[in-house]
Amino acid sequence: QGQLVQSGAEVKKPGASVKVSCKASGYTFTHYPMHWVRQAPGQRLQWMGWINGGNGNTKYSQKFQGRVTITRDTSASTAYMELSSLRSEDTAVYYCARGEPTVTNDAFDLWGQGTMVTVSS
Amino acid sequence: SYVLTQPPSVSVAPGKTARITCGGNNIGSKSVHWYQQKPGQAPVLVIYYDGARPSGIPERFSGSNSGNTATLTISRVEAGDEADYYCQVWDSTSDHVFGTGTKVTVL
Repeated sequence: QGQLVQSGAEVKKPGASVKVSCKASGYTFTHYPMHWVRQAPGQRLQWMGWINGGNGNTKYSQKFQGRVTITRDTSASTAYMELSSLRSEDTAVYYCARGEPTVTNDAFDLWGQGTMVTVSS
Repeated sequence: SYVLTQPPSVSVAPGKTARITCGGNNIGSKSVHWYQQKPGQAPVLVIYYDGARPSGIPERFSGSNSGNTATLTISRVEAGDEADYYCQVWDSTSDHVFGTGTKVTVL
C-alpha cells in the first residue's frame, strides 16, 4: 500500500528558506506523482504543486510560483519541497501526498504525517 | 479562480445520516474527491471520483455529484466519524482546489 514519512518540525526566521523531505516506501516511487499541500492553523487545505516521480516535471500553484521548488531523488525514493522568502503567513503544516499516474484530476490516496513549519522572528 | 463552498458545520445524532455539501460552479462536470481529517492527523481519502470508495473505507460513506452541488453522505453515523471533511476538484484554471471544510459533530 505504501507509506510516506516526512522530516521533522522546523522553526525559521522571516526571509529564510525551508526544505521538507518526504520518503516513500512500499511502492514504486517513479510510477506516481507527488503533491505538496499545506494547512495553516484552523484553515483549509491548500495545494502547492506536484512533481512527476518518473521524469521530474513539476507544476506549481500560481500562489507559490517563484517561491516554491519541488525536487526528487529517485535513488532515495524521496521528494523535497523548498519554500523561500518565508513570512509569518507561511506558518503551517506541510503535507506530501501521492497522486495517481497519468491523470490531471487525481485523488491523493496516501499522505505523509505532516511537517510543522513555524515562521517567527 | 474556482471556488468550493462547504457548510462550516454539520451536527448529527449517532445512527442517523449526515450529508455534507460542496458547492461549485457546474461541479457536476468535474470529478470530486472527499477527505476526512481528524484533529492532529493527516487527511484520509474516503471518496474519489464522485462516489468510489478506497479499500478499507466503510460502505456507510457514499458520494454523489450533479449540477452545482456534490454531496458526501455518511449513513449510520458513529462517534468515530467526527472529523473535518474536505471536498477537492481539479480545475483547468485553478489546478487542485479544496473546499472550505465541514466539521462533523456527533451529538
